[in-house]
Amino acid sequence: ETGVTQTPRHLVMGMTNKKSLKCEQHLGHNAMYWYKQSAKKPLELMFVYSLEERVENNSVPSRFSPECPNSSHLFLHLHTLQPEDSALYLCASSQDRGRTYNEQFFGPGTRLTVL
Amino acid sequence: DQQVKQNSPSLSVQEGRISILNCDYTNSMFDYFLWYKKYPAEGPTFLISISSIKDKNEDGRFTVFLNKSAKHLSLHIVPSQPGDSAVYFCAFLGGGSNYKLTFGKGTLLTVNP
Repeated sequence: ETGVTQTPRHLVMGMTNKKSLKCEQHLGHNAMYWYKQSAKKPLELMFVYSLEERVENNSVPSRFSPECPNSSHLFLHLHTLQPEDSALYLCASSQDRGRTYNEQFFGPGTRLTVL
Repeated sequence: DQQVKQNSPSLSVQEGRISILNCDYTNSMFDYFLWYKKYPAEGPTFLISISSIKDKNEDGRFTVFLNKSAKHLSLHIVPSQPGDSAVYFCAFLGGGSNYKLTFGKGTLLTVNP
């Protein structure tokens, strides 16, 4: 596997279900991100982990719970979601070099539908 | 509050000609500027970037121009090829975060053979 992979690619869940999205990066990066893209809206940052510590939480509801067990893996745990949470969820990674800006590399995304 | 505007949702260009994609922004704190390309069913792919201390950066057929006074970013692709057909997003870093990419809504480029 190369780059950034995400599983599953598609997910349909009910509002009472609990599910998890998984992301794995094979680039040796030390920062990982979750983004959300809703229909007709730009990508929006949800969470950032750098060196396995959460460094940004962009006012995301608590029904979304991220987990970063190591620098290569990132999870997004979902519970009691709403239909308006249906969107494309994208994972990204980058090499955090402190004060410089770094390009982010994206996975293919998980298309989530909440019924 | 939309800090980034890509005012053209779509653009159609003939193969071999120049494609010009545009982006306007309002946040003067942005100081690193990127373009991403996205094919259907794939995540965005990084294309080219420019920092605020420059006004031009070239990489092969792709050139990014930055006009800080006008808060305007553009991407030139020349010559355009059918494989360039994709959605192009401008994205910005800065404004208090080293991590938060602020994206435009994207422009669908179609290059006709």
